[in-house]
Amino acid sequence: GAGVSQSPSNKVTEKGKDVELRCDPISGHTALYWYRQSLGQGLEFLIYFQGNSAPDKSGLPSDRFSAERTGGSVSTLTIQRTQQEDSAVYLCASSYQGAEAFFGQGTRLTVV
Amino acid sequence: KQEVTQIPAALSVPEGENLVLNCSFTDSAIYNLQWFRQDPGKGLTSLLLIQSSQREQTSGRLNASLDKSSGRSTLYIAASQPGDSATYLCAVLYSGGGADGLTFGKGTHLIIQP
Repeated sequence: GAGVSQSPSNKVTEKGKDVELRCDPISGHTALYWYRQSLGQGLEFLIYFQGNSAPDKSGLPSDRFSAERTGGSVSTLTIQRTQQEDSAVYLCASSYQGAEAFFGQGTRLTVV
Repeated sequence: KQEVTQIPAALSVPEGENLVLNCSFTDSAIYNLQWFRQDPGKGLTSLLLIQSSQREQTSGRLNASLDKSSGRSTLYIAASQPGDSATYLCAVLYSGGGADGLTFGKGTHLIIQP
């Protein structure tokens, strides 16, 4: 594709529900990153996939968060039993090896 | 763990001025350093990428330098314009492994006054 695509762009969910956020990286990019940005805050690293290697999940804020990357391409970030503090913009980026990283426009998650 | 610091946190200058944004990192074993721009409510736009073997990169009115030994990078913006108003973020890719991904500073919020 032309760039990194994230869906949905906006998601409003009720507290306690599960949500899935999707990231389609640029075709051929081996690395994929997930970040979270709360209102007025900096970027919080969540998880990083490089090729077929197992990701380091230590950046995930709680065991309610999980992420997978199928076939080395599309990635989904799942948040179970959402809480109000999960409200943020979730950003995805991809790069080829360690080259320039490109970001998607993000998914704005609001937990009510 | 790599830490990235950006100074100043906020900057407001009149249109036309040249300005410098600063970024410092704690571990010099980096793979590359990247500068991004973020407009309110938007994602990040890549501005410049400097590989660890390079000392600077230029794109239009932007020039980024890298000094690995001192753990510093600067972003120079020439002849600033109101459209340059945004948050500028510096990110370092640590060469020791990808577990931390790109490590970001908290950004410099720049306002260019017309």
